[in-house]
Amino acid sequence: AQKVTQAQTEISVVEKEDVTLDCVYETRDTTYYLFWYKQPPSGELVFLIRRNSFDEQNEISGRYSWNFQKSTSSFNFTITASQVVDSAVYFCALSEDEETSGSRLTFGEGTQLTVNP
Amino acid sequence: GAVVSQHPSWVICKSGTSVKIECRSLDFQATTMFWYRQFPKQSLMLMATSNEGSKATYEQGVEKDKFLINHASLTLSTLTVTSAHPEDSSFYICSASVFGRGGKNEQFFGPGTRLTVL
Repeated sequence: AQKVTQAQTEISVVEKEDVTLDCVYETRDTTYYLFWYKQPPSGELVFLIRRNSFDEQNEISGRYSWNFQKSTSSFNFTITASQVVDSAVYFCALSEDEETSGSRLTFGEGTQLTVNP
Repeated sequence: GAVVSQHPSWVICKSGTSVKIECRSLDFQATTMFWYRQFPKQSLMLMATSNEGSKATYEQGVEKDKFLINHASLTLSTLTVTSAHPEDSSFYICSASVFGRGGKNEQFFGPGTRLTVL
């Protein structure tokens, strides 16, 4: 069975601070996909990144960066120089590899990030 | 591209009535659609997976007779909450995926429907 754990329920930072959101996953599959989504107060999920299990390269996109480490089953997300607009709930998710068009996503519990001015 | 819409965006109904929520893929044909439910301050929980033209596959603990899912075409799936009760009040989110679009196993999410049952 798949499981995603986001141990940090809530994080509060002051604007311009860096913040890292932790994600630890469990799966028996050798091929899988990891995701991060942002959910602002409006509720609509915003896709941030998808990473497959064979690609362990860290990725940077603007102020966002992701650290994927298979050895520790972690896929952590760092926001550099945080801004008030980054305030949202962030979800880490996992899906198995399937040959069909889509497969079920297992979400972590989410981390509520609040960036204070 | 890859836009998914939901209608209505919010609905308030009386206990005992049925509510239908539509999920449409606007610019692509979705062979698979997913329905999630999210209670306040909780995570998204998958309710069911539906493939066009076949019966939906429900997750354990989800009542298939209460949450009717119809995936009649490649661009439309509907979720009907029958005989709704206050405990069914939640945020319902659909997603759609198609093989080869947006990368394998990527789901495109709708904006969600907030259901309040009085």
